[in-house]
Amino acid sequence: QVQLQQSGPGLVKPSQTLSLTCVISGDSVSSTSATWNWIRQSPSRGLEWLGRTYYRSDWFSDYAVSVEGRLTVKADTSTNQFSLLMTSVTPDDTAVYYCARGALNIRAGLPLDFWGRGTLVTVSS
Amino acid sequence: DIQMTQSPSSVSASVGDRVTITCRASQNIYTWLAWYQQKPGTAPKLLISAASDLQSGVPSRFSGSGSGTDFTLTISSLQPEDFATYYCQQPNRFPYTFGQGTKLEIK
Repeated sequence: QVQLQQSGPGLVKPSQTLSLTCVISGDSVSSTSATWNWIRQSPSRGLEWLGRTYYRSDWFSDYAVSVEGRLTVKADTSTNQFSLLMTSVTPDDTAVYYCARGALNIRAGLPLDFWGRGTLVTVSS
Repeated sequence: DIQMTQSPSSVSASVGDRVTITCRASQNIYTWLAWYQQKPGTAPKLLISAASDLQSGVPSRFSGSGSGTDFTLTISSLQPEDFATYYCQQPNRFPYTFGQGTKLEIK
């Protein structure tokens, strides 16, 4: 059974960098049949997919246009985890942040089958 | 980006009722559609992938159908634990997008 354990601060000041990590158990961050995703949820934006990283003989990352340029999603194979770094945060980035696994399925695409518990991040001075 | 539109945004129903939620995609997504259930304070849970494939452990009263742009999630006989918010998502075309959610409330 795959489990994702999130960690990171709940309060970040405006203009600072948000850093979250997601430790994977029951799978490998280097799996060639998975992607490792960050999603956030807020009343104003609903569920918003932010970005992902994955390994397919090399490492790749993709980002939503709304956060591109501010977001980095990276894997750490030594600790079997992946991370989110979001720079220059504003109060509009206040949300619950989730990590999730996308499981490759030829018929289904990459549905998000395992999720972390979520971290409420508040951006405020 | 592919827009996902759910209807209704909320629905009230009673235990034992049959409920159908609709999701429409702004372009053809074939059967690349997932449904999630979310209860307050918890992460979304994957119920259905590939439009109609029930995830392991999900009760058979849940079913999904559709292809192309129009999809439905049906709960055949509502149980108390089914009252939650339901989201559709297209998990194949980048960037992945979610519907706005349908809140299923007790009548």
